[in-house]
Amino acid sequence: GQQLNQSPQSMFIQEGEDVSMNCTSSSIFNTWLWYKQDPGEGPVLLIALYKAGELTSNGRLTAQFGITRKDSFLNISASIPSDVGIYFCAGPILNAGGTSYGKLTFGQGTILTVHP
Amino acid sequence: NAGVTQTPKFQVLKTGQSMTLQCAQDMNHNSMYWYRQDPGMGLRLIYYSASEGTTDKGEVPNGYNVSRLNKREFSLRLESAAPSQTSVYFCASSVQDAEPFNQPQHFGDGTRLSIL
Repeated sequence: GQQLNQSPQSMFIQEGEDVSMNCTSSSIFNTWLWYKQDPGEGPVLLIALYKAGELTSNGRLTAQFGITRKDSFLNISASIPSDVGIYFCAGPILNAGGTSYGKLTFGQGTILTVHP
Repeated sequence: NAGVTQTPKFQVLKTGQSMTLQCAQDMNHNSMYWYRQDPGMGLRLIYYSASEGTTDKGEVPNGYNVSRLNKREFSLRLESAAPSQTSVYFCASSVQDAEPFNQPQHFGDGTRLSIL
């Protein structure tokens, strides 16, 4: 099946630093999603990307859809303590007919810790 | 507006016991999903329901059954719990049941299940 590999697996940074993480796949995706999971809660969508090369921002977060359609990147600028959590990339699981019905496959996550 | 509500939040079972995890959404979404989250493995799709009256297997369906009771409710059943099913279970819903994929999934806060 489709597999997404995220790196790094974990990050320990100081408040105010910038953060970069990425997600790669052996398969082509037509959509890339980035979710954040706060401790004890479900994932929440941060950014959705639908076109190769697309660069999209959401506040201090910026994500890019790789040109090859096999990778995506998430950057967080000027980190703050509330950025702590697990960041997941995700993409649609396609049926044989090329439809997903919203089904998603997730990367294993990047655990972010921010020290004040 | 509650969004996606999962019950119970925590549960401990003995091997061989059965249990049903409940999920309800109040957003009038067509599609609903069940995932499990294990350390270092991200979220994996167990079953999904593209629309009321339909269900289908995801990546890891073995040992589980589901019921789409109505448009609001989607339950997950473990008929004979095994220690390997110890996990955090998330229910999600989204507004669409067909392409193009452009609507986010909304997640509940999870059910933490331990099987001894």
